[in-house]
Amino acid sequence: GAVVSQHPSWVICKSGTSVKIECRSLDFQATTMFWYRQFPKQSLMLMATSNEGSKATYEQGVEKDKFLINHASLTLSTLTVTSAHPEDSSFYICSARGGWTSSGVSYNEQFFGPGTRLTVL
Amino acid sequence: GNSVTQMEGPVTLSEEAFLTINCTYTATGYPSLFWYVQYPGEGLQLLLKATKADDKGSNKGFEATYRKETTSFHLEKGSVQVSDSAVYFCALSGGNQGGKLIFGQGTELSVKP
Repeated sequence: GAVVSQHPSWVICKSGTSVKIECRSLDFQATTMFWYRQFPKQSLMLMATSNEGSKATYEQGVEKDKFLINHASLTLSTLTVTSAHPEDSSFYICSARGGWTSSGVSYNEQFFGPGTRLTVL
Repeated sequence: GNSVTQMEGPVTLSEEAFLTINCTYTATGYPSLFWYVQYPGEGLQLLLKATKADDKGSNKGFEATYRKETTSFHLEKGSVQVSDSAVYFCALSGGNQGGKLIFGQGTELSVKP
């Protein structure tokens, strides 16, 4: 249980285009999802916290108009990188937390997706 | 604010060697502590956790004990394998942080046959 998927696993796009990354909790309802960015050989940097049905809370220094987050349902959050540029190239990882599985198990820890590698040319 | 400090890598060991990766933290209140592992090209997997002082988390031969007196959560394994090669992240989650995880900088482990 507690599986989180991301799609796509990798994407290459041209500078100036927008890219959407999906994060899904497959077997539980995630009340909260987190989006992280990871540079090569570095730690994860939290970008934003997303609660279902409300606006995302962005960390200091993260441009909310650049990185659009939507958490429309308890199993899906999306991150859209708008007008992408080469400096946006990175590994983006989501995690999901909270809620109940169909078997009635509560999860309070974060479960991570496999990540999406974005390369902007 | 809350923070996590890990020993710097990379750490290179021979197979069957003893592993210690140091982790210390600064936090208000009573945080939960975690070790995550990231294999090349993949996301993070929870390795083990401890939610209160003196708790010992363990999994796959790895152990870590929550030491409040030294604010530490060092990761240990008695005999590493080549398959343990990965990046290890220490993290904390505090009750006043809305469930956010604060990560250490990560420690790369390379195990040679």
